[in-house]
Amino acid sequence: DIVMTQSPLSLPVTPGEPASISCRSSQSLLGNKGNNSVDWYLQKPGQSPQLLIYVGSNRPSGVPDRFSGSGSGTDFTLKISRVEAEDVGVYYCMQALQLPRTFGQGTKVEIK
Amino acid sequence: QVQLQQSGPGLVKPSQTLSLTCAVSGDSVSSNSAAWNWIRQSPSRGLEWLGRTYYRSKWSSDYSMSVKSRMTITSDTSKNQFSLQLNSVTPEDTAVYYCVRGTGASGLDVWGQGTTVTVSS
Repeated sequence: DIVMTQSPLSLPVTPGEPASISCRSSQSLLGNKGNNSVDWYLQKPGQSPQLLIYVGSNRPSGVPDRFSGSGSGTDFTLKISRVEAEDVGVYYCMQALQLPRTFGQGTKVEIK
Repeated sequence: QVQLQQSGPGLVKPSQTLSLTCAVSGDSVSSNSAAWNWIRQSPSRGLEWLGRTYYRSKWSSDYSMSVKSRMTITSDTSKNQFSLQLNSVTPEDTAVYYCVRGTGASGLDVWGQGTTVTVSS
């Protein structure tokens, strides 16, 4: 199985400031179509996870543009350009290259 | 707007069968572009993908090796729902279970509300 490793596991943030989360995979997630098969999810307190980014850098409709995904191969980053109070929760990366799908341990983002 | 509504018991005795159902609205469970997943979450295992079912001219299912021998995912097109059965449960199967829609390369875009399942006598 592909192992997904996130850092940091805890991230205190200041509203209005940028934030960044890293995710590393145990093997390349670059598919044969040139896409990186990594998704990002946010689980707000008391809620189910929600999709933030798919295929490395694509935002579903309704996700604010302050969220962006980047990276290739085995190293990926989720960036929040300006953190808002509603962005608190646990962020997960997930590889979608092969089965079984596997998730990172999660990064807990909280307001300082 | 696609919604997934989960139902099923919150308490299951050890060695018995865990059964959960996910009712789909706003999409068809036999869609040719969707896959219907079960994922669970526990403090010890984090988010764990369990399996999926999908229709591409015929029904197919994939399972995680960790549960493959005990798990079955079925679909009911007449009720537009899909279900999970996990046999011979132990306390290690205690978790929040989610049903989730996947749409090809577009991520796991719709999640059910989650069902907390406790395995205990």
